[in-house]
Amino acid sequence: SQQGEEDPQALSIQEGENATMNCSYKTSINNLQWYRQNSGRGLVHLILIRSNEREKHSGRLRVTLDTSKKSSSLLITASRAADTASYFCATVGGSQGNLIFGKGTKLSVKP
Amino acid sequence: EAGVTQFPSHSVIEKGQTVTLRCDPISGHDNLYWYRRVMGKEIKFLLHFVKESKQDESGMPNNRFLAERTGGTYSTLKVQPAELEDSGVYFCASSQHLLAYEQYFGPGTRLTVT
Repeated sequence: SQQGEEDPQALSIQEGENATMNCSYKTSINNLQWYRQNSGRGLVHLILIRSNEREKHSGRLRVTLDTSKKSSSLLITASRAADTASYFCATVGGSQGNLIFGKGTKLSVKP
Repeated sequence: EAGVTQFPSHSVIEKGQTVTLRCDPISGHDNLYWYRRVMGKEIKFLLHFVKESKQDESGMPNNRFLAERTGGTYSTLKVQPAELEDSGVYFCASSQHLLAYEQYFGPGTRLTVT
């Protein structure tokens, strides 16, 4: 069953602007992760936020988590053309560690 | 350290044919996962190996899909016979420990069934 669901589905911005993507999920979680997929490449792990954390930073990335609303957001500040990619949130399903992904947000950063 | 590799990168086959996808995980990673993304839909889990044992194959769509991991190293995913709806990108991921959280993904194999 689908767990994470991102919005918007597509986002187009200019270089230097900030990009915000949201993710909602359905069940209780231990952590939530964000991945990026550049065209033709595999998914790259960006950041993990645990259920007892509200906000986490990594470079130009800021992730928030609201467990009461079952939602998370990923903010990319001062975007660059190289940030153009699809971004997915993922939660762990079951006890075996398999990830459950949303449909992703396709981000396009124009130079 | 070499990452997860997948072969081929792209495969185009006709309906009814057989295709075998290969995944080489990061050396020393016991956990290997297969995922699939069908066009326009979310990435979905297919199955999970711990070493050579299948731990969870609840995501396998039907018995036309067969995954193996002989010797606990590389894994293969065979689709026989392929159907049009099997088209998509097949990802493999590995992790060192169960629930290590971060999974390392390969570049994927794009399968097109015509």
